[in-house]
Amino acid sequence: AQSVTQPDIHITVSEGASLELRCNYSYGATPYLFWYVQSPGQGLQLLLKYFSGDTLVQGIKGFEAEFKRSQSSFNLRKPSVHWSDAAEYFCAVVTNRDDKIIFGKGTRLHILP
Amino acid sequence: DVKVTQSSRYLVKRTGEKVFLECVQDMDHENMFWYRQDPGLGLRLIYFSYDVKMKEKGDIPEGYSVSREKKERFSLILESASTNQTSMYLCASRPVWANVLTFGAGSRLTVL
Repeated sequence: AQSVTQPDIHITVSEGASLELRCNYSYGATPYLFWYVQSPGQGLQLLLKYFSGDTLVQGIKGFEAEFKRSQSSFNLRKPSVHWSDAAEYFCAVVTNRDDKIIFGKGTRLHILP
Repeated sequence: DVKVTQSSRYLVKRTGEKVFLECVQDMDHENMFWYRQDPGLGLRLIYFSYDVKMKEKGDIPEGYSVSREKKERFSLILESASTNQTSMYLCASRPVWANVLTFGAGSRLTVL
């Protein structure tokens, strides 16, 4: 069965430091891949998506993610985090077979001043 | 700006009560979804709908039902609320031609 794994439940980084959030998926073919962000008390907002083509995708708020087929990964990165980036981040995958969207369990990002 | 609106942000209900969670989207999207979000468990799909009067069970439909009488509105119903249904409920929609979801702000339900 298809699955999405976010190995880190919590991550803490200092403001201004770089960030990488990990995401691994399990699916035979190339899936559609997403990162969403959820600020406290809010719904989820799309950060970026990968469907095909260039494996490095740019998103909103200065985030980027790289699709690596050999590692079945789609890690989210930001070169310098801001206090407003404190939120929960969800990786998601859509499989072509039935268009179901499968979410990871999320990574909560904490920012130290 | 396109929107998915969940009219009740916070609800407190008693065990056994019937609970309605309403979701309205103004984007003419065909597909609508209800998720439940719990700490450490991420988002779990309860029900979804591909069109008016159509519904499909998701991964955790037990104890829930849904109604979609109009394209823009998708209601989640708890026939007899239980304490283990205390959770954050998220509604989302998407057009049939795209895989990107637009989410509402969520409804936090507490069942006492």
